[in-house]
Amino acid sequence: EPEVTQTPSHQVTQMGQEVILRCVPISNHLYFYWYRQILGQKVEFLVSFYNNEISEKSEIFDDQFSVERPDGSNFTLKIRSTKLEDSAMYFCASSGNRGQPQHFGDGTRLSIL
Amino acid sequence: DAKTTQPNSMESNEEEPVHLPCNHSTISGTDYIHWYRQLPSQGPEYVIHGLTSNVNNRMASLAIAEDRKSSTLILHRATLRDAAVYYCILRDGKAGDKVIFGPGTSLSVIP
Repeated sequence: EPEVTQTPSHQVTQMGQEVILRCVPISNHLYFYWYRQILGQKVEFLVSFYNNEISEKSEIFDDQFSVERPDGSNFTLKIRSTKLEDSAMYFCASSGNRGQPQHFGDGTRLSIL
Repeated sequence: DAKTTQPNSMESNEEEPVHLPCNHSTISGTDYIHWYRQLPSQGPEYVIHGLTSNVNNRMASLAIAEDRKSSTLILHRATLRDAAVYYCILRDGKAGDKVIFGPGTSLSVIP
């Protein structure tokens, strides 16, 4: 069964550094998402992306965050200047159409020192 | 998205059926009922969804009350691998495409 893959599985970064989290969505999917989960808390929506542009974003997704689909397969989340509070699991998801079930990757654990 | 209410935790014995309840009294006519689960150290996983009729798939069954104000996710025979947090979520495509996760029900399966 096709799946969403995320790399790296664990990223350790110094505060203030830039980090890029990578995702390969399911190949025929058109809608892409990023979520995060701080340890012990709920999964939170960050951003949705369709047709090469952001379709919705949460208030967490401020100017430090950006997303990109640089080629036909990858979907990336960039955090420009990381803060301690950015430490979390980041999940990428994709779906074939709006409202359809979303398929999630197993996440990247981001640790900011 | 409309709010759902689930028990914080439940326990089940292995190989027995599990009924996970969800209340959604403010559901609107266009809200679909989705269930996801999250196994330890993994991303959320889609389980099942429905609108009005009961639904079955290889993972579970979804029973929806006639008034749609509640639903029940049924695992027919719990295994240790079913120990996870189960999320009941209402989704209305018109209101946006994001999935809004609540705290869910943490299911423990006892061998």
